[in-house]
Amino acid sequence: DAMVIQNPRYQVTQFGKPVTLSCSQTLNHNVMYWYQQKSSQAPKLLFHYYDKDFNNEADTPDNFQSRRPNTSFCFLDIRSPGLGDAAMYLCATSREGGNEQFFGPGTRLTVL
Amino acid sequence: SQQGEEDPQALSIQEGENATMNCSYKTSINNLQWYRQNSGRGLVHLILIRSNEREKHSGRLRVTLDTSKKSSSLLITASRAADTASYFCATLLTLISNFGNEKLTFGTGTRLTIIP
Repeated sequence: DAMVIQNPRYQVTQFGKPVTLSCSQTLNHNVMYWYQQKSSQAPKLLFHYYDKDFNNEADTPDNFQSRRPNTSFCFLDIRSPGLGDAAMYLCATSREGGNEQFFGPGTRLTVL
Repeated sequence: SQQGEEDPQALSIQEGENATMNCSYKTSINNLQWYRQNSGRGLVHLILIRSNEREKHSGRLRVTLDTSKKSSSLLITASRAADTASYFCATLLTLISNFGNEKLTFGTGTRLTIIP
């Protein structure tokens, strides 16, 4: 089945230790998104790729970076995780930008 | 600031009853979407309603949109225990200058609990 896959599902890292979260999709969608969701809050868009074009949200900290080496894969790099970066990170895809989005199961990040 | 706000924040009903959630937003939109999120999981798209539509149905779901009041409602009829989840509205803003590169802004969500 076509889907959005996120690895790992749970990630534990230490304060300041770089971490990479991965997302892959078999839907062949041209748009990929990364959201941060803290407990009982709405998902907050960090950035998205429209094809190869990277679009960063104005309030996304520089600590967060992303790479999209090909259509299928997208990575979220957190260069120096702080305690405030502990959250669920959700990857989503869509065909073009205004249509429904398909979400992965998320990666729960814990920062010790 | 948050584009969408949902009301109520939490709702508990008996199985078999109908559940209604409301979403209000601030600026003109292209479309509005509803998503469901089970605890600790990703979001699942439920329904999309465009700005020129007033009502849409999908199975036990009914969505209305009132652009004059900048509000939408999601009705779940004959609720089931499996409907227990958080429900989010998400608005797609009208970005005339950036066609094809739009983004959704999610509301605060309604936590729905169905009591068996």
